Amino acid sequence: NAGVTQTPKFQVLKTGQSMTLQCAQDMNHEYMSWYRQDPGMGLRLIHYSVGAGITDQGEVPNGYNVSRSTTEDFPLRLLSAAPSQTSVYFCASSLRGREAFFGQGTRLTVV
Amino acid sequence: GEDVEQSLFLSVREGDSSVINCTYTDSSSTYLYWYKQEPGAGLQLLTYIFSNMDMKQDQRLTVLLNKKDKHLSLRIADTQTGDSAIYFCAEVPNSGYALNFGKGTSLLVTP
Repeated sequence: NAGVTQTPKFQVLKTGQSMTLQCAQDMNHEYMSWYRQDPGMGLRLIHYSVGAGITDQGEVPNGYNVSRSTTEDFPLRLLSAAPSQTSVYFCASSLRGREAFFGQGTRLTVV
Repeated sequence: GEDVEQSLFLSVREGDSSVINCTYTDSSSTYLYWYKQEPGAGLQLLTYIFSNMDMKQDQRLTVLLNKKDKHLSLRIADTQTGDSAIYFCAEVPNSGYALNFGKGTSLLVTP
């Protein structure tokens, strides 16, 4: 099993550009989520999904969209990148109430 | 929402014991987790404890749980320089899906 795979690992965007961060898991986990990690802020939940076709907002959803068309994939879209979205992004998956498995992260810089 | 609280920094000498403390929020949390994040990497599950346990030992790691005070601690015996990392405490609230993380404790191990 590959676990949770995130691509790309690094990305530089110009303000106003859009892009999609990819996340895939091969553990048949029902729950997937996206976090951003900023210095001194810990991990903040952006969006999550409890199953295919179901998504919901987390703590900091503004500026991001998600979809869950399959159990395996949970992409995160930045519609119009802003410097405030410079961060490290982590995707995670889990079974209900159990430990989360994390991807290696995407380091995004918006200039 | 309510916060999972951790101290932000801890510095110990190599060979000493480290104790990282955490106060969580949901008394109905079934599992409580400790994650480790090394520089530039994702989060890895270090250990966990069921809520019906008081203590769990796993090699150099000891987890203590005080449900009455909603206090969780992680003790690392014979701390090594390779233990330098950020340690996150996490709970699964009653909603059952999204992990609620503390802001992380940066452990620095000096020779």
